[in-house]
Amino acid sequence: KNQVEQSPQSLIILEGKNCTLQCNYTVSPFSNLRWYKQDTGRGPVSLTIMTFSENTKSNGRYTATLDADTKQSSLHITASQLSDSASYICVVLGEEYGNKLVFGAGTILRVKS
Amino acid sequence: KAGVTQTPRYLIKTRGQQVTLSCSPISGHRSVSWYQQTPGQGLQFLFEYFSETQRNKGNFPGRFSGRQFSNSRSEMNVSTLELGDSALYLCASSLVQGVVETQYFGPGTRLLVL
Repeated sequence: KNQVEQSPQSLIILEGKNCTLQCNYTVSPFSNLRWYKQDTGRGPVSLTIMTFSENTKSNGRYTATLDADTKQSSLHITASQLSDSASYICVVLGEEYGNKLVFGAGTILRVKS
Repeated sequence: KAGVTQTPRYLIKTRGQQVTLSCSPISGHRSVSWYQQTPGQGLQFLFEYFSETQRNKGNFPGRFSGRQFSNSRSEMNVSTLELGDSALYLCASSLVQGVVETQYFGPGTRLLVL
């Protein structure tokens, strides 16, 4: 069982609309949780990094939330743009196995006009 | 600063061959990690090198190996290629600042095994 699960697997929304991507993890204990955006054919780019004591962090139109008690995180995208079409990957840095990054499978988002 | 660079960007090999991929980290970064990305599996951790030593290793067979040089550049080698090795291979270099490690990814090498 994957220690980091993301939902939905893929999502299509209209330009200008908001959307929320979910990430549930079982990695414990963990040091921090990251969200990455990966455009097709490119490497992932970091959007936010949150430690267990942070509940929310924003980066422009991207807002990540973290509930360390329920081990859930979400990435909210406001006023989506065509350029937001990408894969969004949730990553947890786990203290077991020597601080190894554990990656979710990603959510593929497509924004259409 | 220049970002993480990977060469080659694209590669086509046949089963049984071996391949070597190269990664140059951001200047000053001493940690380099390698990942395999396939559509069905997402990103899978291969190994991490720090100061020329392998610090962490994922669950991949021994056909996958790597090394890091004194200038932090890293190479990854896959021997006896199989069709299932077709994937995007990503390299990332890291900088630790306080309690947070920031990882920067390269553009990847797309490997196709025929």
